[in-house]
Amino acid sequence: GESVGLHLPTLSVQEGDNSIINCAYSNSASDYFIWYKQESGKGPQFIIDIRSNMDKRQGQRVTVLLNKTVKHLSLQIAATQPGDSAVYFCAEIIKAAGNKLTFGGGTRVLVKP
Amino acid sequence: DTAVSQTPKYLVTQMGNDKSIKCEQNLGHDTMYWYKQDSKKFLKIMFSYNNKELIINETVPNRFSPKSPDKAHLNLHINSLELGDSAVYFCASSRPNDGYTFGSGTRLTVV
Repeated sequence: GESVGLHLPTLSVQEGDNSIINCAYSNSASDYFIWYKQESGKGPQFIIDIRSNMDKRQGQRVTVLLNKTVKHLSLQIAATQPGDSAVYFCAEIIKAAGNKLTFGGGTRVLVKP
Repeated sequence: DTAVSQTPKYLVTQMGNDKSIKCEQNLGHDTMYWYKQDSKKFLKIMFSYNNKELIINETVPNRFSPKSPDKAHLNLHINSLELGDSAVYFCASSRPNDGYTFGSGTRLTVV
């Protein structure tokens, strides 16, 4: 079975509000986790990553939190903008498996003006 | 200037045909991949090549055959196409500690 997954398939958020996308994983051997954004007609685009020995990492308007105790990570988007509308994927990389990148199921974020 | 480019972007073909999708990367990455994205947006790895050598081969029908003439190219050939092969296929490349870069996808429709 898949080792990463998402709780919510669609998230509607008001422009300017914060968005939180959640992801659960089952493989303790994951070396790091990545969040990808996929816009319509495009390939997945890297947003932010976090190594398994970290709890939090911040980027521009995005924060990723990793809770290894419950095998959960989240992506927080501050002040969500219309351009943030996309499908978001969490993914894990396991170096021992040849750096294989395994995706979760995706969450669609719809930003309402 | 496109980092990972794949052609064609759209491919419509009849069942039973044989088709190829091409991928090229100019990032100097050693590893290239093919992913399949189904109608529910789920992305699943199919193959991975490192310096022209196959290193990952997930449970994919033998009708799918990747070919890597050099480390900058990874093509995907599909024989005897079936309706269930309809999907978006993404090529990607990576280098250790450099993350993955994806192409813009090839939408394959089998009719």
